Amino acid sequence: DAGVIQSPRHEVTEMGQEVTLRCKPISGHDYLFWYRQTMMRGLELLIYFNNNVPIDDSGMPEDRFSAKMPNASFSTLKIQPSEPRDSAVYFCASSFLPRTGAPQAFFGQGTRLTVV
Amino acid sequence: GNSVTQMEGPVTLSEEAFLTINCTYTATGYPSLFWYVQYPGEGLQLLLKATKADDKGSNKGFEATYRKETTSFHLEKGSVQVSDSAVYFCALKAAGNKLTFGGGTRVLVKP
Repeated sequence: DAGVIQSPRHEVTEMGQEVTLRCKPISGHDYLFWYRQTMMRGLELLIYFNNNVPIDDSGMPEDRFSAKMPNASFSTLKIQPSEPRDSAVYFCASSFLPRTGAPQAFFGQGTRLTVV
Repeated sequence: GNSVTQMEGPVTLSEEAFLTINCTYTATGYPSLFWYVQYPGEGLQLLLKATKADDKGSNKGFEATYRKETTSFHLEKGSVQVSDSAVYFCALKAAGNKLTFGGGTRVLVKP
């Protein structure tokens, strides 16, 4: 498996534009997580899905952020309208719950978003 | 709620030095504990984990022991290499499948 695949790797956009980040989780993983990483706040969990259903979106900063998972192999994180303070690296991760032991989350390489 | 506190960096060491990164946690129940590593320009990778008290996780020369009495999971390596330069994250998983991360500790190993 190629691992968790995110696109694009880099995105530069102007303030006010819509931004869509994409994620393809590892096949067979039924959990998907979106994280945001900044110098100021470190790694923050934005939202996570189980079996394509959003379980906890308490980390989504505001209504400008939305996430969807239309099927088991694809998820999007959308920011509309984008603002300069949204500039960060956004990571997608996927995992599954093993019958024994602790689950392991696999991370994508991230999307570096710059809003100017 | 659950939280993870780890020492702030950056930690700068010479090659072959001993590395310790402190991590303490607050959680309800009996969480699983993890260390993740992030190399420059990459996503996080699992380094090691421990699922119950007194378990020791180890990988690539790194070790961490789950200490319930002190709610700690300190990361250690006896002899670091330049290639160990990265950001290290301590994390826990309590109920559900949500990871709670510490703030990360940047480690820089100089030759």
